[in-house]
Amino acid sequence: SAVISQKPSRDICQRGTSLTIQCQVDSQVTMMFWYRQQPGQSLTLIATANQGSEATYESGFVIDKFPISRPNLTFSTLTVSNMSPEDSSIYLCSVDSRASTSGNTIYFGEGSWLTVV
Amino acid sequence: AQTVTQSQPEMSVQEAETVTLSCTYDTSESNYYLFWYKQPPSRQMILVIRQEAYKQQNATENRFSVNFQKAAKSFSLKISDSQLGDTAMYFCAFMTNSGYALNFGKGTSLLVTP
Repeated sequence: SAVISQKPSRDICQRGTSLTIQCQVDSQVTMMFWYRQQPGQSLTLIATANQGSEATYESGFVIDKFPISRPNLTFSTLTVSNMSPEDSSIYLCSVDSRASTSGNTIYFGEGSWLTVV
Repeated sequence: AQTVTQSQPEMSVQEAETVTLSCTYDTSESNYYLFWYKQPPSRQMILVIRQEAYKQQNATENRFSVNFQKAAKSFSLKISDSQLGDTAMYFCAFMTNSGYALNFGKGTSLLVTP
């Protein structure tokens, strides 16, 4: 399995500011994913981040609001820009980790719990 | 598009008893992956068990097992000998063989009582 570290684990942010979340993986992975989990809700995919190319965003999410970097095969960042209270969520980084014989498995970081005030 | 349905928003079970969480999904794909994740109050998503659609044998991980019925598009999770530490949200998730993104159900909140 992959070990995924996220920073910050929790933060309280002022309305109108931006915050960058970091995700570090202990092994090289092709694809990294960013999910959002709003309070009391399930997880929704924000975007897929490939190294060396622009991130692919899901419907309802745009690059200006959630810029993503993927400078190498073990690291990615997600920025939540111009935050409003509606952005209060848990943001989770995840990676695919191919098992040796049987295909894909998705692992998650600890999550970054953002509260916008 | 694939959809995942968890029809039980909340469940409770006594310690040492067995509980089954339900999950159904809808897809036109023939090969795919199914997962159960556990999210305790710490909010980390922890992989519980994984099933590949082309495998007929149900996956098992210690006290956790699944009942995978491909024709019925059903993927239930059975937790045996429930422990207090099993208290968490449980999410069922689907992934196609060609994709990497997960489609999640809305979750089932499980409470294990003494």
